[in-house]
Amino acid sequence: KAGVTQTPRYLIKTRGQQVTLSCSPISGHRSVSWYQQTPGQGLQFLFEYFSETQRNKGNFPGRFSGRQFSNSRSEMNVSTLELGDSALYLCASSLAEGGRNIQYFGAGTRLSVL
Amino acid sequence: GENVEQHPSTLSVQEGDSAVIKCTYSDSASNYFPWYKQELGKGPQLIIDIRSNVGEKKDQRIAVTLNKTAKHFSLHITETQPEDSAVYFCAASKGGGSNYKLTFGKGTLLTVNP
Repeated sequence: KAGVTQTPRYLIKTRGQQVTLSCSPISGHRSVSWYQQTPGQGLQFLFEYFSETQRNKGNFPGRFSGRQFSNSRSEMNVSTLELGDSALYLCASSLAEGGRNIQYFGAGTRLSVL
Repeated sequence: GENVEQHPSTLSVQEGDSAVIKCTYSDSASNYFPWYKQELGKGPQLIIDIRSNVGEKKDQRIAVTLNKTAKHFSLHITETQPEDSAVYFCAASKGGGSNYKLTFGKGTLLTVNP
């Protein structure tokens, strides 16, 4: 089975621009979560989508948004980019097995904001 | 919300020695505790997990222990090898129903010296 695929792997943007990141989950997984990883804050939860609906949300400003399509693929969008948005953005697709919500991560998209 | 503390932030051991990483969590409702390994340029990979109804789980050289009363859990790696060098993250979640949000510790950089 193919793993979680994130595109693009690297992005360079300037302040004020917007960006869209894409995530294709493992086949059969209906839940997709997004995380931001920075050296200072570590891994922080952004939001989770299940069956095209946002089911959980972290503590990020409204500039961060996402959506999920009927084939479970997901996108996240960041508008009006700030320098502090530079980070590795990770997508995870999830499968519930025996009470364990196992999350499988992609390799991430490295976003640099100049 | 949940808060996960992880120690130490860096750990250096000689090949063949054991390594122990410890985490504490704050929310007594958390019931699922995965450990992830992240190598350079890759996303986190699940290496072992434990549910709150189990006190210990082993998988070859890796084991995890959980003390629900004290709200802490630990990762034990025996007979370490250079390929074990990576950043390790602990996480906690309520794990059931529709809650897929993982709260991560800040990570431990493990270096295994040959």
